[in-house]
Amino acid sequence: GAGVSQSPRYKVAKRGQDVALRCDPISGHVSLFWYQQALGQGPEFLTYFQNEAQLDKSGLPSDRFFAERPEGSVSTLKIQRTQQEDSAVYLCASSLGAGPSYEQYFGPGTRLTVT
Amino acid sequence: AQSVTQLGSHVSVSEGALVLLRCNYSSSVPPYLFWYVQYPNQGLQLLLKYTSAATLVKGINGFEAEFKKSETSFHLTKPSAHMSDAAEYFCAVSDQAGTALIFGKGTTLSVSS
Repeated sequence: GAGVSQSPRYKVAKRGQDVALRCDPISGHVSLFWYQQALGQGPEFLTYFQNEAQLDKSGLPSDRFFAERPEGSVSTLKIQRTQQEDSAVYLCASSLGAGPSYEQYFGPGTRLTVT
Repeated sequence: AQSVTQLGSHVSVSEGALVLLRCNYSSSVPPYLFWYVQYPNQGLQLLLKYTSAATLVKGINGFEAEFKKSETSFHLTKPSAHMSDAAEYFCAVSDQAGTALIFGKGTTLSVSS
């Protein structure tokens, strides 16, 4: 496809379960970002990859959150022992290069509901 | 640290009326500023961006924004609203490293006929 895709689109998890969210960026895009969007809020930065290197993970809210991009393409955001406050839409974005002059293209998001 | 404030969480206009969505920023370095639109169940789409080339920036769908350094503002306007403009709008600034985006809380635009 031409855009960023994310799967699953919706995920319901019981509190305490582990979840894995997948992002397929646009082919050839060097940079990949994860954002968390709580209900009624703007997206908040979680982490950033340049190719396979995770250059910034300052936004990850706890050590229960872990992201990887082992081959510099597909990325997975994993949340261990989910809590209710993890309920949010998780957005993935990719850009052709590094730096703000490159447009970030967003996927449709994964809506995570923790019950 | 960079931050963005969007004044008004909800704006309602009539079809054909002027759209004005307000955004003020705080940045310790010359900022890159962005406006994104989000339709229900869709990803964010870039409307326009300011990168210091010109203070008046034209974007898609007839939107434009003016960078005013003295007012630290980057308000989004459209002369004539269309029903299809109803969506959530986010203003954003790039972080100091120039990678991640810092978003405002968003403004919901409603357009009535």
